[in-house]
Amino acid sequence: QKEVEQNSGPLSVPEGAIASLNCTYSDRVSQSFFWYRQYSGKSPELIMSIYSNGDKEDGRFTAQLNKASQYVSLLIRDSQPSDSATYLCAVTHGSSNTGKLIFGQGTTLQVKP
Amino acid sequence: GAGVSQSPSNKVTEKGKDVELRCDPISGHTALYWYRQSLGQGLEFLIYFQGNSAPDKSGLPSDRFSAERTGGSVSTLTIQRTQQEDSAVYLCASSLGPAGGDNEQFFGPGTRLTVL
Repeated sequence: QKEVEQNSGPLSVPEGAIASLNCTYSDRVSQSFFWYRQYSGKSPELIMSIYSNGDKEDGRFTAQLNKASQYVSLLIRDSQPSDSATYLCAVTHGSSNTGKLIFGQGTTLQVKP
Repeated sequence: GAGVSQSPSNKVTEKGKDVELRCDPISGHTALYWYRQSLGQGLEFLIYFQGNSAPDKSGLPSDRFSAERTGGSVSTLTIQRTQQEDSAVYLCASSLGPAGGDNEQFFGPGTRLTVL
């Protein structure tokens, strides 16, 4: 089992819809969780971080964390074609909130005009 | 200010040759990371430097890979006797403090390595 798992997609949604991206992780003691966006041929950039169970909202983005289920998700409201990219879930390794990040393989999102 | 820079941007080498990849982190960032990304794959952790602590080398795939960070700043990733499976984009990132928490990792543009 991979440490961080994501559906590779592609996930296709129409413009204006809600895109839901999911991620599960295996290390029960992980403390910090991140969503990165990576455009084709570019480097990853941080979108959201979340550390506590529940929801965290930032503009059109909402991160959701459920440590009991070892599940973290990213919702993108009012999806735009410019949101089309690969979204990488990353989790800190181990029980400390500091340390190396383990990345999932990413989910490709396509937002169709 | 300047972001993370990496050089070269592209490197083509022959199987069996050694290569050196360079990373200049953001000034003042104490943490530096190397990752590898193969086509269509996520980021594979290689090594993590934090201040003067011993680096976390747990992600290095073989003893052909090594990295050093001089003076707490510039880092060099060296791959000896390159193999075709080493072909990938090598990404460097830095953060102001230790990995995780509020310390966002900022990524460089990467070095695309092709081993013929």
